[in-house]
Amino acid sequence: DVVMTQSPLSLPVTLGQPASISCRSSQSLVHSDGKTHLNWFQQRPGQSPRRLIYQVSNRDSGVPDRFSGSGSDTDFTLKISSVEAEDVGVYYCMQGTHWPRTFGRGTKVEIK
Amino acid sequence: EVQLLESGGGLVQPGESLRLSCATSGFTFSDYAMTWVRQAPGKGLEWVSSIAYIGTFYADSVRGRFTISRDDSKNTVYLQMNSLRVEDTAVYYCAKNFKDVGEYWGQGTQVTVSS
Repeated sequence: DVVMTQSPLSLPVTLGQPASISCRSSQSLVHSDGKTHLNWFQQRPGQSPRRLIYQVSNRDSGVPDRFSGSGSDTDFTLKISSVEAEDVGVYYCMQGTHWPRTFGRGTKVEIK
Repeated sequence: EVQLLESGGGLVQPGESLRLSCATSGFTFSDYAMTWVRQAPGKGLEWVSSIAYIGTFYADSVRGRFTISRDDSKNTVYLQMNSLRVEDTAVYYCAKNFKDVGEYWGQGTQVTVSS
């Protein structure tokens, strides 16, 4: 199975400051269709997960543009350009290239 | 508006069965793959199963015990869970796929397996 390694697992951030989460996969996530299926999800406390980014860098509808995804092959990053209070929660990367699908362990974002 | 509503969770003993349902609305159900993801208490997300036009797929931890299916006439996806174990205790979410897993998620249904 593809192992997704996120870092850090805990990220205290200051409001208005940028934040960055890394996700590395144990195998290349380039699919035979030519696309790289790496997704990012946000789970606020007490809520269902919400997808923010699909295929590395595409924001889902309604996702603020302060969220951006980048990377390739096995190395990916989620960036928040200016953290707001509503961004508190756990962020997960997930690969959709190989079966079984696998998630990272999650990165808990909290306000300092 | 896309909506997904899970039901069927509950408290069961080890070895028993449950069938989860996820009723959907707001999109052409038959056009999309669907996925079940679970979250054990205080833990992260775990992909469980997906159903797509190319077939059905399962996590190793549930293969042979769980069966995913869909009824396009009812806009509903199911997860039949047999031989339940204590470690299957979790909130189970269904999700609509678009460009990959999880464009939309339901609110989840709690499954507790305990003697």
